[in-house]
Amino acid sequence: AQTVTQSQPEMSVQEAETVTLSCTYDTSESDYYLFWYKQPPSRQMILVIRQEAYKQQNATENRFSVNFQKAAKSFSLKISDSQLGDAAMYFCAYNVNAGNMLTFGGGTRLMVKP
Amino acid sequence: NAGVTQTPKFRILKIGQSMTLQCTQDMNHNYMYWYRQDPGMGLKLIYYSVGAGITDKGEVPNGYNVSRSTTEDFPLRLELAAPSQTSVYFCASTTILGEKLFFGSGTQLSVL
Repeated sequence: AQTVTQSQPEMSVQEAETVTLSCTYDTSESDYYLFWYKQPPSRQMILVIRQEAYKQQNATENRFSVNFQKAAKSFSLKISDSQLGDAAMYFCAYNVNAGNMLTFGGGTRLMVKP
Repeated sequence: NAGVTQTPKFRILKIGQSMTLQCTQDMNHNYMYWYRQDPGMGLKLIYYSVGAGITDKGEVPNGYNVSRSTTEDFPLRLELAAPSQTSVYFCASTTILGEKLFFGSGTQLSVL
């Protein structure tokens, strides 16, 4: 069974600084997808960034980027120039395309200090 | 497009009561899912469907049932509510390509 582990229950960052959230996963598949989702207090699940495992280039979306290390099965999220609106729960997720179902990590609560 | 619509948003049940959580999507997605999120935890898959008439169990199916009579609708049924089913329930859908999961806004359920 695939598992996704987020080892940081909580992280804190100063506004305008950079923070990195960690995620590791376990799989025997060679082709899969990885995601970071943001869940603000509104409870809505918002896709932040997506990475295809066959792509060596790390995905980037504005202030959000990932460090994808396939051999190490690591998928960290870097948030640059942190803003107060970035405060939320962040979930790492994995999809091997078998039914397209996502397996989620336990989440990291990010706090942004003004 | 409304996307994925869940009703109700909040519900309180007594132990042993039954209810159906409704989920509908207007994007013609084949794949639909029900997840539950316990406080401070990640999402766990309850049931999923790859198309009308096809459903399958996820990680935590006990105490729940689903049906998929149309592409649009994927209701989740709780037959005998238990306190352990207190959670936030999310419905989601995606295409065959699975590039992005579209989530509903969730249903907060309390069983007292």
